[in-house]
Amino acid sequence: AQSVTQLGSHVSVSEGALVLLRCNYSSSVPPYLFWYVQYPNQGLQLLLKYTSAATLVKGINGFEAEFKKSETSFHLTKPSAHMSDAAEYFCAVSEGAAGNKLTFGGGTRVLVKP
Amino acid sequence: NAGVTQTPKFRVLKTGQSMTLLCAQDMNHEYMYWYRQDPGMGLRLIHYSVGEGTTAKGEVPDGYNVSRLKKQNFLLGLESAAPSQTSVYFCASIPTGQGRLTTGELFFGEGSRLTVL
Repeated sequence: AQSVTQLGSHVSVSEGALVLLRCNYSSSVPPYLFWYVQYPNQGLQLLLKYTSAATLVKGINGFEAEFKKSETSFHLTKPSAHMSDAAEYFCAVSEGAAGNKLTFGGGTRVLVKP
Repeated sequence: NAGVTQTPKFRVLKTGQSMTLLCAQDMNHEYMYWYRQDPGMGLRLIHYSVGEGTTAKGEVPDGYNVSRLKKQNFLLGLESAAPSQTSVYFCASIPTGQGRLTTGELFFGEGSRLTVL
């Protein structure tokens, strides 16, 4: 069975500071990993994904994530936070290309202070 | 492009009432899903479908039924609503390639907020 743990349900950062959101996963097969973002009153949209190619994945809006198999982690970072980054972020895992179900973490809400 | 459309967007029910949420996608996706979102719990899978005429249970199926009579539509029903079903419901779909392999990238609707009093 696959599972996802996101450390910290809320993160507060200052505008211009580093954003770091932590995600650890468990999977019995090589995983596909995802970060989704949800802006207020909207559905989720894909930020970036890892599908067994490069371990450092670049996504939209300046975000990137690094897959570390030895640590079973897929942490999300952005060097400099912008006010528009205020949203909830979800990490998710799928059982590779044959998997047809995603399992989501509990989410991390990011607050950006001016 | 419409993508994934959910109706209704808001609904208030009394305990014991029934209702159906409709999800429609115009992307010819094979796989469709219903999730519920509750604070601090992320998204939990209720039911899903891997093709027209098929359905399967997810993580939290109790109290819900689904049907996929047409490829583009996936209906979620509550036969007797309970306050514990107060939530935001999201429908999603995934495209598939050869051999029904998928990249796992979900396309979401905007959500349906349900309150059960």
